[in-house]
Amino acid sequence: RKEVEQDPGPFNVPEGATVAFNCTYSNSASQSFFWYRQDCRKEPKLLMSVYSSGNEDGRFTAQLNRASQYISLLIRDSKLSDSATYLCVVTGSGGSNYKLTFGKGTLLTVNP
Amino acid sequence: GAVVSQHPSRVICKSGTSVKIECRSLDFQATTMFWYRQFPKQSLMLMATSNEGSKATYEQGVEKDKFLINHASLTLSTLTVTSAHPEDSSFYICSAQTGFNYGYTFGSGTRLTVV
Repeated sequence: RKEVEQDPGPFNVPEGATVAFNCTYSNSASQSFFWYRQDCRKEPKLLMSVYSSGNEDGRFTAQLNRASQYISLLIRDSKLSDSATYLCVVTGSGGSNYKLTFGKGTLLTVNP
Repeated sequence: GAVVSQHPSRVICKSGTSVKIECRSLDFQATTMFWYRQFPKQSLMLMATSNEGSKATYEQGVEKDKFLINHASLTLSTLTVTSAHPEDSSFYICSAQTGFNYGYTFGSGTRLTVV
């Protein structure tokens, strides 16, 4: 099983749509969880951290279920500028708890 | 906010030559810098972790003699791809931990093409 697995995508949605991405991770001792976005041929940029209580930032909502080792990202009222690859990222445990492990990413295209 | 400056952004080199990539933390001290590689349509893969003043720690399968990492100061880490071959063509990105709760800042990446 891969350390971090994401929906394969790609997702093509119209403007204004709501889209959800899922992610699972294999290491139950993982400490921290993030969603990053990566534009084509650019570096990843932090979108938001993910907490067990769930967190929301404008149109974006992230959820974490530690029991199921599952992370989600919901984008409401999607904009053209949301088109990017969304990366699920998990840190390790113990001595390697600073290492980021990236999923392959899910490509989102928002169409006019 | 914290900025990591990475250079060059793009390099094309001949097979057998060496290429040096620099990452500088501009407004903070980066005790630890991470080096990643990303092949097309693949995830970022951690290659090595460099710590200021000590030897880098390489991930399994990454040749330390081929990918030389130097972290001589708190603001500069370098990755040298030695005797580059076409299969080394990839997107190389550095990252530094910038804050509490594992905040990370990435460099803008270096696209290496070996011909």
